[in-house]
Amino acid sequence: QLQLQESGSGLVKPSQTLSLTCAVSGGSISSGGYSWSWIRQPPGEGLEWIGYIHHSGSAYYSPSLKSRVTISVDGSKNQFSLKLNSVTAADTAVYYCASSPPARSKYTFGLWGQGTLVTVSS
Amino acid sequence: DIQMTQSPSSLSASVGDRVTITCQASHDIGNYLNWYQQKPGKAPKLLIYDASNLETGVPSRFSGSGSGTDFTFTISSLQPEDIATYYCQQYDNLPAFGGGTKVEIK
Repeated sequence: QLQLQESGSGLVKPSQTLSLTCAVSGGSISSGGYSWSWIRQPPGEGLEWIGYIHHSGSAYYSPSLKSRVTISVDGSKNQFSLKLNSVTAADTAVYYCASSPPARSKYTFGLWGQGTLVTVSS
Repeated sequence: DIQMTQSPSSLSASVGDRVTITCQASHDIGNYLNWYQQKPGKAPKLLIYDASNLETGVPSRFSGSGSGTDFTFTISSLQPEDIATYYCQQYDNLPAFGGGTKVEIK
């Protein structure tokens, strides 16, 4: 059974780059048809989709974050990653990785990681 | 951008009550709508996909309906374990979530 686990720095200084990784277990990230997304949730607020990457490597980003975001996939490590540069306090949030199975829309998030809190502060 | 208006933002109901949450899209999104449940400190969980399809393993007291711009999520008989925040999410274009509805027990 597929499982996702986020990891990365929990504290990032303003103007620096936030880097997170989502490890995929129980299956191959290169399995046909799966899509892999990042979603965030500021404390006490709602959910915001950041972007997604197909196992082939093609990626799509939220227009509001597109200029600062890169999502990549590493098949050899069975993981995908998020980089968000030039962070500010507004980027403080719980960051989730999520996946969409082949039988569903790439934006139907059927599986989620547990989430990791990233705080932007000096 | 497609805007999602979810209401109410919170509600209080008794165990056994029927609970209804609505989500309105700013443009026609067909049936490209999902519903999620998020319990405190936990990741969201997919309950309903494509507006009305129950995700595998989700109790049948949860249901969804609607198409176009108006959608409804229903809990037919509220249980104590249903205390959570519920979100709609459209995916007609790029995905966007509604503001959430916090459900509490009266």
